[in-house]
Amino acid sequence: AQSVTQLDSHVSVSEGTPVLLRCNYSSSYSPSLFWYVQHPNKGLQLLLKYTSAATLVKGINGFEAEFKKSETSFHLTKPSAHMSDAAEYFCVVTPISGGYNKLIFGAGTRLAVHP
Amino acid sequence: DAGVTQSPTHLIKTRGQHVTLRCSPISGHKSVSWYQQVLGQGPQFIFQYYEKEERGRGNFPDRFSARQFPNYSSELNVNALLLGDSALYLCASSLRGGTGQETQYFGPGTRLLVL
Repeated sequence: AQSVTQLDSHVSVSEGTPVLLRCNYSSSYSPSLFWYVQHPNKGLQLLLKYTSAATLVKGINGFEAEFKKSETSFHLTKPSAHMSDAAEYFCVVTPISGGYNKLIFGAGTRLAVHP
Repeated sequence: DAGVTQSPTHLIKTRGQHVTLRCSPISGHKSVSWYQQVLGQGPQFIFQYYEKEERGRGNFPDRFSARQFPNYSSELNVNALLLGDSALYLCASSLRGGTGQETQYFGPGTRLLVL
């Protein structure tokens, strides 16, 4: 069975300060892991993905995440928050191989960015 | 290039009615997945289709059904609507959908309100 736990439902930062959104996963299989972002009234946009290559993954808009198997974590970071980063962020896990690709989403972390 | 498109964008129905939601995948993508996102939660997997065949199904009642057409577009049908079916319905497309290494690209969603 697979599951994802996003450890914070809300995170608030000031513009220009670092962002850390935490995600732990549980998987019986070698996982693929993703971070998606959802802006208000918009669909989901892929930020980055891990599929068993480099453990440090760089994504769009300056975001990156590190896969740590020993800690079963895949935390999302950004060195300096921008106002446009305010959105809902979802950590996602799926088996790296199998008959079909079912994405399992966490509950989401709402990021607020203050001036 | 056009992304994933969904129609309609918004829909209001009453309990007991039937609804059909439509999705057109990215050109060249042969797999379509459907997800339900209830307010305040992460999306939940409903179906995945590939080459017109159902490849996977989530934990949803038989009132939910879907199909995929020869041009790879897809319809999601929900019968006997309940208040709890009110949600954002997201469609995602991928090349084949068979492995977790593929990225799923999401459309903007159809927001369904059941009164």
